[in-house]
Amino acid sequence: GAVVSQHPSRVICKSGTSVKIECRSLDFQATTMFWYRQFPKQSLMLMATSNEGSKATYEQGVEKDKFLINHASLTLSTLTVTSAHPEDSSFYICSARDLTHPYEQYFGPGTRLTVT
Amino acid sequence: AQSVTQLDSQVPVFEEAPVELRCNYSSSVSVYLFWYVQYPNQGLQLLLKYLSGSTLVESINGFEAEFNKSQTSFHLRKPSVHISDTAEYFCAVSGAFGNEKLTFGTGTRLTIIP
Repeated sequence: GAVVSQHPSRVICKSGTSVKIECRSLDFQATTMFWYRQFPKQSLMLMATSNEGSKATYEQGVEKDKFLINHASLTLSTLTVTSAHPEDSSFYICSARDLTHPYEQYFGPGTRLTVT
Repeated sequence: AQSVTQLDSQVPVFEEAPVELRCNYSSSVSVYLFWYVQYPNQGLQLLLKYLSGSTLVESINGFEAEFNKSQTSFHLRKPSVHISDTAEYFCAVSGAFGNEKLTFGTGTRLTIIP
């Protein structure tokens, strides 16, 4: 149980284009989902917290117009990187919180974004 | 707010030797503590967690961690490591109220030497 998937696992896009990453909870309802960014050999940095049906809460320093987050249902959240640039290249990981276990997060496998 | 310190960025250990990965935290409130493992190019997998009760918690693959409130530590140990334990290990903390954000340490890369 408590499986979170991400799609795509890898994506390469050209500078200036937008790319969407999906995060799905497969066997539970996730009222809250989190988006993290991880640079090579570094820790996870929380970008934003999204609650189903409401606007995401962004961490300080994260551009909300660049990283658009939508949490339209209890099983799906999307992160759209708009007008991507090479410095946006990173490993993006989502996690989801099960309503019945509010203290725990279940992580997706991550998406490797490369902007050329 | 909470913070986590993992002092060792890299720990090389010979196969079948014991290992300890250190984690210290700072918080003004009660906490939940977690250890996650990350294999190359993968997401995080929960290794073990402390929520309440016994201060010694164990995982199914032989790791254990002990919550020490007086020393604000949650060190991870294994008596005998295997090649397959090679990975990045992250300690994380959250407030003990539910629906709290996780704060991660900087990670420790465990390398097992054959």
